[in-house]
Amino acid sequence: AQSVSQHNHHVILSEAASLELGCNYSYGGTVNLFWYVQYPGQHLQLLLKYFSGDPLVKGIKGFEAEFIKSKFSFNLRKPSVQWSDTAEYFCAVTLTDSWGKFQFGAGTQVVVTP
Amino acid sequence: DGGITQSPKYLFRKEGQNVTLSCEQNLNHDAMYWYRQDPGQGLRLIYYSQIVNDFQKGDIAEGYSVSREKKESFPLTVTSAQKNPTAFYLCASSPGQLITFFGQGTRLTVV
Repeated sequence: AQSVSQHNHHVILSEAASLELGCNYSYGGTVNLFWYVQYPGQHLQLLLKYFSGDPLVKGIKGFEAEFIKSKFSFNLRKPSVQWSDTAEYFCAVTLTDSWGKFQFGAGTQVVVTP
Repeated sequence: DGGITQSPKYLFRKEGQNVTLSCEQNLNHDAMYWYRQDPGQGLRLIYYSQIVNDFQKGDIAEGYSVSREKKESFPLTVTSAQKNPTAFYLCASSPGQLITFFGQGTRLTVV
């Protein structure tokens, strides 16, 4: 069955530490990949996306993600986190030829301590 | 302002009753989605619609029903057949291959 897996459910780290959140998917076709973020009390919002081209994509607020096709992965990174990065992060995938069915991962709760 | 409106924000219902959650968008988006968000399980797709008068089941459609009679509206009915209806429900819309807008959500509690 098609699925999206996020490796960590909870991550706690200090300000200025580096962050990497894992995302793997099990889809047979060509995919579009996304990371969304939900800050406390706010709507889900798009962080970054990959459709094609350069597998290293940059998003808002200093985040980036790398698509590694051979590993079916789309890991999210930020070199130096801030307290304001405390949020829940969701990886999402959709097939390019049936884009309506967005699949989300279970989410990773990230807490950044001062 | 353009966006998605979900109403109500909180909803209480007695067990065995059907309940309909509203989702309206004024973004002229073709596609609309319903997700259920439970702690530790992320967002699970209930139904989605890519065009008016058409919709498809997601991963957890059992016990739910939808309609898409108008482009701007995609109501979700939680029926009495849904075994665990208490949850947070999110509506979303997209113009194509990118979900950019989510509603504020409706928290349904069945007592």
